[in-house]
Amino acid sequence: QVRLVESGGGVVLPGRSLRLSCATSGFTFSDYVMHWVRQAPGKGLEWLAVISYDGTNKYYADSVRGRFTISGDESKNTLYLQMNSLKPEDSAVYYCASEIPLSGNFDYWGQGTLVTVSS
Amino acid sequence: SYELTQPLSVSVALGQTARIPCGGNNIGTKSVHWYQQKPGQAPVLVIYKDTNRPSWIPERFSASNSGNTATLTISRAQAGDEADYYCQVWDSNTYVFGAGTKVTVL
Repeated sequence: QVRLVESGGGVVLPGRSLRLSCATSGFTFSDYVMHWVRQAPGKGLEWLAVISYDGTNKYYADSVRGRFTISGDESKNTLYLQMNSLKPEDSAVYYCASEIPLSGNFDYWGQGTLVTVSS
Repeated sequence: SYELTQPLSVSVALGQTARIPCGGNNIGTKSVHWYQQKPGQAPVLVIYKDTNRPSWIPERFSASNSGNTATLTISRAQAGDEADYYCQVWDSNTYVFGAGTKVTVL
C-alpha cells in the first residue's frame, strides 16, 4: 500500500525558513518522480517542484525558484522541501505527490501539511 | 507559460450527466489528467492520459481530449461526486493545473 506522509508544517515568520518532509512507503522511492504541490486557502492547486527518480534533475515553478529546494534521501525513502525567505503568500497546504516516470500525472498524494507565514 | 481554463462551477441534477471542460491552446496534442478533490481531502487522480481510469475509479467517469478542449464527463451523477475537479498537463518541464471546477449535484 502506497503511503505519503508530509510533516514539518507550522507557523513561521516572514523571511524565515522551514523544511517539509514527505515520508514514503509501499513503493521503491528511487523508481518514482516526486513532486511538491501546494494549495492556498480557498484556492486551486499549484505545482511547485519536481525531482527525477535519480535525483539528478530538478525543476521549479517561477513562484518559488531560487527560494525553495527539493531533495530526496533514498536511504530514508523521504522527500524534502527546503523553503527559504518565506512570504505570507506562501501560506498553503503543501502536498507531496508521486509520478511514474514520464507519465506526466500525479498518481498518489499525501494528506498535506499546513504552512502559515505570518507575523 | 501554458494556461488551462476551467469554468468556476458546474451543476448537475442527481442521476444526470455532468461535463467539465478544460480549455488550452491545442490541448489535444497534450496528455490531460484529471483530479477530484473533496473538502478537506487531498486530490485523487480520476483520469490519466486523456481517457484512462485508475482501477479505483468507477466507469461513470470518462474523458475526451481534442482540439482546444478536454472534457471530463460524469455519468449518472451521485451526491458523492460533489467535489472540485482539476485538469492538469505537463508542459516544458512544468506541470500546469487548471483553476478547478466545483461540481454541485442538485
